[in-house]
Amino acid sequence: GAGVSQSPSNKVTEKGKDVELRCDPISGHTALYWYRQSLGQGLEFLIYFQGNSAPDKSGLPSDRFSAERTGGSVSTLTIQRTQQEDSAVYLCASSLDGLTYREQFFGPGTRLTVL
Amino acid sequence: QQQVKQSPQSLIVQKGGISIINCAYENTAFDYFPWYQQFPGKGPALLIAIRPDVSEKKEGRFTISFNKSAKQFSLHIMDSQPGDSATYFCAARGPEGGATNKLIFGTGTLLAVQP
Repeated sequence: GAGVSQSPSNKVTEKGKDVELRCDPISGHTALYWYRQSLGQGLEFLIYFQGNSAPDKSGLPSDRFSAERTGGSVSTLTIQRTQQEDSAVYLCASSLDGLTYREQFFGPGTRLTVL
Repeated sequence: QQQVKQSPQSLIVQKGGISIINCAYENTAFDYFPWYQQFPGKGPALLIAIRPDVSEKKEGRFTISFNKSAKQFSLHIMDSQPGDSATYFCAARGPEGGATNKLIFGTGTLLAVQP
């Protein structure tokens, strides 16, 4: 019974470097979300993928952030030219589909530290 | 319009007591209100959720009270146990016309239940 998995669990990088964060959703889930959790803050929506539809990128904070989802399964969140304010826990979630009341299942997150 | 305000930021309750966490929202188009529980190092997990057409939902020791006119909802944990010690997030589904299922989260409440 695999849940949502994310890798790496921790990532330390230097300011200005690019990083890639990976999410493996629950098998068969067509909807995938990325959120960011900063210290003392709630979860902030970043991007949403649903099937073959165009992703909802409305939460991406800048053009340094991008994400893709290959083959409707694995997703990668890329942060270019990382800044210290990018330090946070990045959470991925998936749901069976994009219907309103579908439960979102979260992975354990990737803790990103930008030095 | 998109905010969900959560209080208190932290809460200490004695074992057996009642824990109460409150949330308020602004956008009357929100149509789904889940509560998530998060343990350290883990992703959030759905605890209980309510739709705005009911005023209360109970699951075991956990109850959501919903006041549509006041645009407020709260989580009550009866007979609180040390194992309930975690961070709790309220959330609301964004009114995106069905195009997305993104959640807007409160800032979280750190609950500590003392033995």
